[in-house]
Formats: sequence, structure tokens, C-alpha cells
Amino acid sequence: DSGVTQTPKHLITATGQRVTLRCSPRSGDLSVYWYQQSLDQGLQFLIQYYNGEERAKGNILERFSAQQFPDLHSELNLSSLELGDSALYFCASSVGYRNTEAFFGQGTRLTVV
Amino acid sequence: SQELEQSPQSLIVQEGKNLTINCTSSKTLYGLYWYKQKYGEGLIFLMMLQKGGEEKSHEKITAKLDEKKQQSSLHITASQPSHAGIYLCGADIEGSARQLTFGSGTQLTVLP
Repeated sequence: DSGVTQTPKHLITATGQRVTLRCSPRSGDLSVYWYQQSLDQGLQFLIQYYNGEERAKGNILERFSAQQFPDLHSELNLSSLELGDSALYFCASSVGYRNTEAFFGQGTRLTVV
Repeated sequence: SQELEQSPQSLIVQEGKNLTINCTSSKTLYGLYWYKQKYGEGLIFLMMLQKGGEEKSHEKITAKLDEKKQQSSLHITASQPSHAGIYLCGADIEGSARQLTFGSGTQLTVLP
């Protein structure tokens, strides 16, 4: 158990819908990272938050947004969902803002039908 | 990612055999991380290498970083079925805004 908790584990939704994925980082970790893993694209960095503020952005679509709350948990919002958004979404956390020894959650498997 | 090439893509070995997985970057490496993933599950951190020539071992897994070649290798000695899974290398590479770029992974199957 990495200490990073993601909910829900599975999510099935229809195209055009909006979903929210939740992540609780390890105790003491200030950075939260979101990744998307798909068969064709592999594991891709989406966005990082550090202590409540956006720190870095990767290949995140405009339809996606994230935030980190004062208690340091984070949510990833995916809207206007398309079939191609079906993937495993991982959250990772680390103590600092450098992406070192990041610990990953178990992921949320999103299926868009 | 084309910036980080992993090879081979898949590997099937008999239990007890040794094996090596390679990860090569097309850009300057600032740090290299190895993770293991069971299909559909989260990534388990294995090792981090930051200095050229650095070598780390954990149980039967050894990872090395060749800074000159911008390459890392992961070597498993006397493989066991428990070693099966997907091995991913992640790297802090030049131009990545200090975020991890991942290789495409190596699917390892160990036959009992």
C-alpha cells in the first residue's frame, strides 16, 4: 500500500458526461500529480499541484481540470467525455515539488461508453 | 514516449533465468526511476538513480545508470513468477519541466 488513495476504483459513464476523480495523498506529501495511462499513449503526465497551487502542466486537455484543496486532497474533473478518454487515471504524491520518489495510487479505471 | 525508449516491449523467460530491460533517453537525463506495475494496478516504486555510474540493488533486482549513454538497465537475477508484471522506466529529462516522462513499458512473463 503506497498510502495514496484514489476513488472510485472504477467508473463507467456515457459520452458527453462529466466525472470527478478524487485523490488523497500520503500523509505529509504536498505535491499531487495526475497521470493518464492508455494503451496507445502509455503513461502521460497531466498536471501537478503543490500545496494548493498548480505547479506544472503536461498533456492535459482543456476539457480536463484539477484542483488541490486546503487539506491537500485533489480532484481531477473530466468533462464532455469522449470514448478516447477511457483510460486508467493515476494520482501520485511526493513530499516536495520535484517529481522524485513519487508514490502512486491504485488508479481509477474510467470507461466511457 | 519517443523520448524514452524501453526494450524489449515484452519478455518471456523461464523461472530461474536472468534478464535485462533497457531504458534509453534521447535527451539528457537528470534522474531515472524504475517502477513495476501489475496489469491494471498502480505503480510500485522500485529504484531511483541520479548519478552517472550509480548502481542500486534490491533483493534480486539491480539497476544501473550509464550517464554517457543516457541509458539505464534493470537486471533481474534468478527470476521468479513474482517478478512478472510491467516494468516502467520514468525519467526526469531535459525539457520536461522536471516532470517524469515514462517509457512504454516492458511486459515480463516468468514461466514456472
